[in-house]
Amino acid sequence: AQTVTQSQPEMSVQEAETVTLSCTYDTSESDYYLFWYKQPPSRQMILVIRQEAYKQQNATENRFSVNFQKAAKSFSLKISDSQLGDAAMYFCAYRLYNDMRFGAGTRLTVKP
Amino acid sequence: NAGVMQNPRHLVRRRGQEARLRCSPMKGHSHVYWYRQLPEEGLKFMVYLQKENIIDESGMPKERFSAEFPKEGPSILRIQQVVRGDSAAYFCASSPTLGQGQETQYFGPGTRLLVL
Repeated sequence: AQTVTQSQPEMSVQEAETVTLSCTYDTSESDYYLFWYKQPPSRQMILVIRQEAYKQQNATENRFSVNFQKAAKSFSLKISDSQLGDAAMYFCAYRLYNDMRFGAGTRLTVKP
Repeated sequence: NAGVMQNPRHLVRRRGQEARLRCSPMKGHSHVYWYRQLPEEGLKFMVYLQKENIIDESGMPKERFSAEFPKEGPSILRIQQVVRGDSAAYFCASSPTLGQGQETQYFGPGTRLLVL
């Protein structure tokens, strides 16, 4: 079974600084998708970034980038120039066909 | 282009009543997924549907829960004889057709169900 582990229940970052959120997953498959979703206090799930496992290049979306280490089954999210609006729960997710698994989440606090 | 819509946003039921949660996917999306989120936890997959078909219901409890996605109208997640343990946030997601970005799911705002 595929599992997703987020080992940091809570993280804190100073505004304008950089923070990295960790995610590891367990799979025997070679072709799958990975995602980071953000859930602010409104509890809306917002897609932040996605990565196709067959692509070696790390995905980037403005201030958000990932470090995808396929052999290590690691998929960390880096947030640069953190903003107050980045404060939220962040969920890492793995998808293979219909099966989408989420980690338990990391609560990110941004200090002004 | 409207996003995934869910209603109601909040639903209060007494034990033993029925809860009906509705989800309208994004325009052009033919795949719908339902997830449940307990407090301080991640989302847990419940069921995956296409129009008039249940593709995967491996995450759905065998009793009291059912889902449908009719040819016309929204997808419905139905919980019969609710119990307090059913209190949670229920999220619906939709995705495009295979080959058109099916791998990415877009979420609705969720329905918070509270069972008294």
